[in-house]
Amino acid sequence: QKEVEQDPGPLSVPEGAIVSLNCTYSNSAFQYFMWYRQYSRKGPELLMYTYSSGNKEDGRFTAQVDKSSKYISLFIRDSQPSDSATYLCAMTLNSGGYQKVTFGTGTKLQVIP
Amino acid sequence: DTEVTQTPKHLVMGMTNKKSLKCEQHMGHRAMYWYKQKAKKPPELMFVYSYEKLSINESVPSRFSPECPNSSLLNLHLHALQPEDSALYLCASTQGVGYTFGSGTRLTVV
Repeated sequence: QKEVEQDPGPLSVPEGAIVSLNCTYSNSAFQYFMWYRQYSRKGPELLMYTYSSGNKEDGRFTAQVDKSSKYISLFIRDSQPSDSATYLCAMTLNSGGYQKVTFGTGTKLQVIP
Repeated sequence: DTEVTQTPKHLVMGMTNKKSLKCEQHMGHRAMYWYKQKAKKPPELMFVYSYEKLSINESVPSRFSPECPNSSLLNLHLHALQPEDSALYLCASTQGVGYTFGSGTRLTVV
C-alpha cells in the first residue's frame, strides 16, 4: 500500500463548478498537509498547507483535513479555466532533522469554458 | 525576490557529455533540494542540502553530482547520463513548511 493515494483523474468539469480533489494516507505520523498546483512544463506551486484537522480557506480554495479518517481534500469554488492543472497533495514527516515530503501522484484537472 | 530560478530551461545532451544545471534563490532559505520528475509522476527527491551541507542523498547514481557553492546557489553536475535520465529536474528551497519550486530544467539525453 502506498503511503499517499490520490486519484489520477483526469477530472473534467465545466467552468463555475465546485471541484473536489482528494487524497488518503496511511501514515498517522504525517504532520503537515499541503496542496501544490502544477501547470504543464512548470514546477509545482504551493497553494495551501495545514497542520490540524479542520478546514482552511483561501479565496476560492478550501483545504480540509480529517486525521481520524486519514483523508484530505481540496475544494475549488467557482472553478476557472485557469485552474486547469495537475494538483498534487503532499504530506511531511520529520525525518532525521528535516521535513521529508511524500507526494501523491497528482490529479489532472481540466475546467472547460 | 520570492523565486527560485533554474537555468537552462531546456537541455539536450549526449551520453558522453558533461553539463551542469544551476539553481538560485535569494529568499534566505537554508534548505535546498533537487528533485527529478518524470511525465505524469510526482517529483522524486534526489538530494537535500541544509546550510550548504549535503544532508540527504537518496541513493542517486554517481553520474549526478550536486554542489552547493553558497547559500543562494545549487548546482547539479551531469556526466555520462543515460536516456532514462531524461526528465524534468526541479530545484526547491524552504525555510519551514512548504517548498518554493523553480520552473525546472527539461533534460533530454540522446
